[in-house]
Amino acid sequence: QSVLTQTPSASGTPGQRVTISCSGSSFNIERNYVYWYQQLPGTAPKLLIYTSDQRPSGVPDRFSGSKSGTSASLAISGLRSEDEADYYCAVWDDSLSGYVFGTGTKVTVL
Amino acid sequence: EVQLVESGGGLIQPGGSLRLSCAASGFTVTSYYMTWVRQAPAKGLEWVSLLQSGGGTYYADSVRGRFTISRDKSKNTVFLQMTSLRADDTAVYYCARDRLNYGIDYWGQGTLVTVSS
Repeated sequence: QSVLTQTPSASGTPGQRVTISCSGSSFNIERNYVYWYQQLPGTAPKLLIYTSDQRPSGVPDRFSGSKSGTSASLAISGLRSEDEADYYCAVWDDSLSGYVFGTGTKVTVL
Repeated sequence: EVQLVESGGGLIQPGGSLRLSCAASGFTVTSYYMTWVRQAPAKGLEWVSLLQSGGGTYYADSVRGRFTISRDKSKNTVFLQMTSLRADDTAVYYCARDRLNYGIDYWGQGTLVTVSS
C-alpha cells in the first residue's frame, strides 16, 4: 500500500481543466521534490514534471505542477484526447530511504 | 540517442532466482543513478531499487535482502539479481535512468517476470 494517495480517477471533456492531487506526509512531499509521470496504455512511463513544477523540454505547457505542504497537484488544461492515460506522482521518502509512487490516477477524456 | 533495453524476464517457480539485465546506450551507466521500477498486472508503479553513480544502493522494503542491484562498466549494463522469488514479484520490470532532481528521464520497454508453479 503506497504512502502517496491519489484520487483513482478524473475526467473531463476536451478543452476542460483537470486537476490531480497527491497526498503524502512530512517525510516525503513536504521535504522533497515531487515528480509526475504519464503512462499511456501499454507503454513505459514518461516524465511530465520534475522538481515539483518544472516541465522537461517537449512537454506541453498545458501540464503544470505545484506543491504545498504535504500535498502536490498536477493540472492539465485544455484537455485533449491524447491525455487519456494513467498519471503517477513520485517522491523520495526520507523515512523509507526510497522512492514512493502514488496510487495512480486514471484520466478519461469524455 | 539514449536507449535502455531490458532482458532476462520469464516464467520462474516460486523460490527461484532470476537475473534481469539492462543494456544502456547513449550514456555511461556509471555516471548516472540507475533505478528499477516494477508494475504488477493491472496495478500501479512500484519502485524497487536504486544504484547511485558512486555505488550506493537502496531497496524497497518488499525486496530488501532478496534483490541485488549492480552494474558492469565494461558492458554498460545494470543488473537486478532476484532470489527467493514470490508470486507477488510477478510484474513488468522497468530499468530507468534517474537524473536526481531532473527526474527519471529515460525508461526501458520493460521485461515481464512471472512467478508461478
